[in-house]
Amino acid sequence: NAGVTQTPKFRVLKTGQSMTLLCAQDMNHEYMYWYRQDPGMGLRLIHYSVGEGTTAKGEVPDGYNVSRLKKQNFLLGLESAAPSQTSVYFCASSYYLQEDEKLFFGSGTQLSVL
Amino acid sequence: EDKVVQSPLSLVVHEGDTVTLNCSYEVTNFRSLLWYKQEKKAPTFLFMLTSSGIEKKSGRLSSILDKKELFSILNITATQTGDSAIYLCAVEDNAGNMLTFGGGTRLMVKP
Repeated sequence: NAGVTQTPKFRVLKTGQSMTLLCAQDMNHEYMYWYRQDPGMGLRLIHYSVGEGTTAKGEVPDGYNVSRLKKQNFLLGLESAAPSQTSVYFCASSYYLQEDEKLFFGSGTQLSVL
Repeated sequence: EDKVVQSPLSLVVHEGDTVTLNCSYEVTNFRSLLWYKQEKKAPTFLFMLTSSGIEKKSGRLSSILDKKELFSILNITATQTGDSAIYLCAVEDNAGNMLTFGGGTRLMVKP
């Protein structure tokens, strides 16, 4: 059971470079999310999607773009990376949040922007 | 804007101690509160709470919600070194689209 898979696991970028983080889930979940985690700040929602072809902004969307062209994939793009985007990025998915449902998380991507 | 505050920020205890972690929240239309445990990588689900006063229990962990005072506690009894982790609290509003997370409590259990 793959669950939620994130690639890459680690990446180092120079300021101004671009990259795309890929999240794939094989659970046929409708909802997918991108979070970033910084020390002492918990998880902050960047963007999310409630279904194929739809995306919405979360708490900290600036500097990021997303796409959900296929139900199983949710891509997070950084067009021009900045040192402030150094963080650990988590993708998550859910069917939808209801009693005893929960988010399923990927294993995270450690991104450093120099 | 939904807000979740966890306390303490960090905690160091010895094996066998009992700990209580706190989570207070402000959310426009509350639907549920969730607790997660995060060790090295991805957070793992512990509890989902929707009703006041009903304790949820799993082994040495238990949690309860107070919707009047807008907080939840997570108790861990007879702590073990394997309980060392960051514990995250999150709230869901009635739109049901997303969770708002607190900053987490880092628990370290010493032998």
